[in-house]
This record gives sequence, C-alpha cells and structure tokens, in this order.
Amino acid sequence: AQTVTQSQPEMSVQEAETVTLSCTYDTSENNYYLFWYKQPPSRQMILVIRQEAYKQQNATENRFSVNFQKAAKSFSLKISDSQLGDTAMYFCAFMNAGNNRKLIWGLGTSLAVNP
Amino acid sequence: EAGVTQSPTHLIKTRGQQVTLRCSPISGHTSVYWYQQALGLGLQFLLWYDEGEERNRGNFPPRFSGRQFPNYSSELNVNALELEDSALYLCARSSDRVPGNTIYFGEGSWLTVV
Repeated sequence: AQTVTQSQPEMSVQEAETVTLSCTYDTSENNYYLFWYKQPPSRQMILVIRQEAYKQQNATENRFSVNFQKAAKSFSLKISDSQLGDTAMYFCAFMNAGNNRKLIWGLGTSLAVNP
Repeated sequence: EAGVTQSPTHLIKTRGQQVTLRCSPISGHTSVYWYQQALGLGLQFLLWYDEGEERNRGNFPPRFSGRQFPNYSSELNVNALELEDSALYLCARSSDRVPGNTIYFGEGSWLTVV
C-alpha cells in the first residue's frame, strides 16, 4: 500500500526567507503523480504544485518549487521569499497512474511565516 | 478559483441522525470526489463519482453513501451518525477521468456530531 510521510509537524520561517518542507512516499508503482496542497486557516484546500513522476524536470510555480528524487522517493517543497500569506498547513499527496483517482495524503506540516 | 460549491457550511447533528451534504462542480467537470478530514487523522478518501457512477470507494462503512446527478452535482449521505464522524467533509472536482489531472477542492462542510 502506498504511504506518504511528512516528518516535520511544525516549521517556522522569517518573512522573505526560504524554507523547505519534506515529504517521502512509498510505492511500488513506476508511474504516479505527486502534489503539494496548502490549507490556510480558512480550511480551503489549495493546489500549490503538481509533479508527474515520469518527468525528470522539477516542477516550479512562481516562488514554489519541488525537489523530486524518484529513486529516493522524496518530494520536498521549497518556498522562496516567504510571505505572511504562506502561513498554512501544507499537505503532500500521492496518486498512482491507475484509474482509481485516490489521493493519499501525508499528515501535513504546519508552516508559520513570522514578520 | 476552486469551482466547487458545498453546502451546508456548518451543521450540528445528534448521534444516530442522518445527514446529507451537497456539492456542485463548475460546468463541464464530470468527476466529483469526497474526502473526510477528521482531527488527527488527516484526509481520507471517501468516494469518487464520474458520469453518474461510483468509480471508487475508500475504506468507510456502508452508512457512508452518495450519488451523482445528471448535472454532475453530488450528495454525500451519512446514516446513523457517530461521534467520530465529526469532521470537515471536502468535495473536489476534476475535468475528467484522466489519471493525474489536478483535483480542486471546495471549502468543505463542517459536521459536528454531539
């Protein structure tokens, strides 16, 4: 069974600095998708970034980028120039390429951006 | 823009009662998903509907059920409510059944069972 592990329950960073959130996963599949979602206090789950396992190039979205290490089954999220609005729970999620469309989630990392 | 409307936003029910939660994806999005986010348990996959049919189901008892209507909106029904059913229930959408397509979430329905 696939699992997703986020080893940092809580993190904090100063505004304008860079922070990296860790995520590891376990799967025997070769083709799959990985996601980072953020959930601010409003509880709206918002997609941050998406990575396709068959692509070697790391995904980037503005200040957000990932370090995808397929062999190590690692998928970390880097947030550059942190902003106060980045304060949220961040969830790493996995979906295999089969047609069950089931997202498997880590337990999240609570990120606080301090002024 | 999530493109998913959920109702009600908050509700309180008594143990043993039944509840219906509703979800409407934006036009053209045929797949609807339901997730449960309970405190301390993370997000758990409940159901996936597409084109009116149940396509996949998570490890939940049969008292959790749902359906999808011809306009692709969906209902989640929970019978015989238990205290541990207290959670945020998130509905999500995607445009089709293509694996890996991004899933977008609504703001959720907070259910408290007392």
